[in-house]
Amino acid sequence: DSGVTQTPKHLITATGQRVTLRCSPRSGDLSVYWYQQSLDQGLQFLIQYYNGEERAKGNILERFSAQQFPDLHSELNLSSLELGDSALYFCASSVAGTPSPLHFGNGTRLTVT
Amino acid sequence: GENVEQHPSTLSVQEGDSAVIKCTYSDSASNYFPWYKQELGKRPQLIIDIRSNVGEKKDQRIAVTLNKTAKHFSLHITETQPEDSAVYFCAATKSNFGNEKLTFGTGTRLTIIP
Repeated sequence: DSGVTQTPKHLITATGQRVTLRCSPRSGDLSVYWYQQSLDQGLQFLIQYYNGEERAKGNILERFSAQQFPDLHSELNLSSLELGDSALYFCASSVAGTPSPLHFGNGTRLTVT
Repeated sequence: GENVEQHPSTLSVQEGDSAVIKCTYSDSASNYFPWYKQELGKRPQLIIDIRSNVGEKKDQRIAVTLNKTAKHFSLHITETQPEDSAVYFCAATKSNFGNEKLTFGTGTRLTIIP
């Protein structure tokens, strides 16, 4: 168990809908990262938050947004969903300050039908 | 930004033989290089990492080497076993307080043939 909690585990929804993915980082970790992994693909960085502030953005679509709350949990919002948004969405957290491993949650598998 | 290239994309080895996966990075300021193993449908898990002040690190059957001059690092798995079959990702990042985004390679699917 990595200590990173993601909910829900699975999400099935229709095109055009909006969903929210939730992540609780490991205790003490201030940085939260979101990655998207499509079928048989690599890990695409979406966005990073550090202690409530956005710190880095990757290839995140304008239809996607995220935030990190004062209690350090994070939510990734996906709207106007398309079939191509079907993927595994991973949240990871790390200790800030020195390069350290990312600890990944078990992911949310999103299926858009 | 950082760019990480990983080769090969697929690798099949006989059980008991060694496997080597290679990565190159573009940002000479990168100083932390972890390797992750991902089994089908599961989360990536850290298997070994190396920092730029070290040239080699070993953990039982797994070793990582780093050549800062050439900007490449490699994963070596010896005496491979069926449970080593998975997708392996290399990654790179640099010290930047509050922004330690990992850039991942594209992954290597390793298959161990019994």
